[in-house]
Parts: sequence; structure tokens; C-alpha cells
Amino acid sequence: AQSVTQLDSHVSVSEGTPVLLRCNYSSSYSPSLFWYVQHPNKGLQLLLKYTSAATLVKGINGFEAEFKKSETSFHLTKPSAHMSDAAEYFCVVSVRGAQKLVFGQGTRLTINP
Amino acid sequence: GAVVSQHPSWVICKSGTSVKIECRSLDFQATTMFWYRQFPKQSLMLMATSNEGSKATYEQGVEKDKFLINHASLTLSTLTVTSAHPEDSSFYICSARVNSGGATDTQYFGPGTRLTVL
Repeated sequence: AQSVTQLDSHVSVSEGTPVLLRCNYSSSYSPSLFWYVQHPNKGLQLLLKYTSAATLVKGINGFEAEFKKSETSFHLTKPSAHMSDAAEYFCVVSVRGAQKLVFGQGTRLTINP
Repeated sequence: GAVVSQHPSWVICKSGTSVKIECRSLDFQATTMFWYRQFPKQSLMLMATSNEGSKATYEQGVEKDKFLINHASLTLSTLTVTSAHPEDSSFYICSARVNSGGATDTQYFGPGTRLTVL
């Protein structure tokens, strides 16, 4: 079965400092991995996705994630946090050929002025 | 990018009544749509997968007679919560899959519908 574990339920950083949101996955097959962001009372927005092409994936708003098969990780990073980045972030796995998405528990990102 | 809308964005109803939520793909055709439920400060849980023109596939533990799903066209799926009770209060989110024939088609999510049952 496929699953994702987001290692931190809450991350707090200061504006202008780097962001690291950690995600480990478990999959019997080559996975597709996604990061989605959810702002309060809004729908989910796709930040980026990995589909077995380049292991370093660049997304929107300066975010990127690196797929590391040896570590079964797909951590999300951003060099410099902005106040508008405050939101809930979900790491998601989909098995190749399957339709279902499996969501992690989410990481709430807080940005301090 | 692909846009998915939901209507209504929020609804309050009395216990025992039924509520219908619509999910539309605005600028693409979606053979497959998905319905999720999200409790406060929790993750999304898949309720059912809806394929156009066929019966929905429900996840284990989801009552199909309570959560009726209809996917009558390539751009519209509806979720009807029948005989709603306070425990059905939640944030319901739909998504639509852009079917390009690949195994990694992206799901695009609607803004969600907040249901409150009194």
C-alpha cells in the first residue's frame, strides 16, 4: 500500500529564512508525488509534482522538491519564506496507473514577521 | 490552468434534510472526478471516485446510500448528502482529473463546500 508521512505537523520560520517541509513516502511501485498547498478556507493548489523525470522538481512561488529514492523522501523547500506562504501543505502520493491520491496529514507553515 | 468550481461554497441545513453539492470542471473535460471529506485541521479522506456515465466507486466505510454521487456529464458531478445529521458537518472537496492518457494525470481541486447541519 502507498502512504506518505509528513514528519512535522507544524513548522514556524521567520520571513526571509529558508523553508523545509519534510515528507517520506512508502510505495511498492515507482510513485508519483505531489505537493499541494491549502490556504485558509480555500481549495488545494498544486505546487509541484514528480513523475520520474528529473529528481529535482521546481514548482510555483519559488518552491522546489527533491525526490530521493534511497531515502524515500520528497522534501519541499524554499530559499526565502514570504508571509503569503503561511498555509497548510500536503504531501501526496499516487501509484503509477492508479487514480487515487493518498494524502499526508499536512504541515501547517507559520511565517513570523 | 484547469479550473474546478463547487457550488455552493457553504450551506447550512436542518437535520434530516438533503443537500446537493455540485462540482464542475470549467475549461476541460473530466472523465473522472473525486469527492473528499476534510475534518477541521485534518487531512483529506477520499470518499468516492466518480466516472462519467457509470456508478461511483466508494471507499470502505463510506455509506453509498447516504452520499449519492451522480456524474452525468464530462464537466459535472454532484454529491447529495441525504438525511443529513450533525455528524455529516464537514468540508467537502471535489477534484477532477485531466485525462491525457497518462498514468500521472494531475487532479485539480475545487474550492470546497462547507456543510453545517444543525
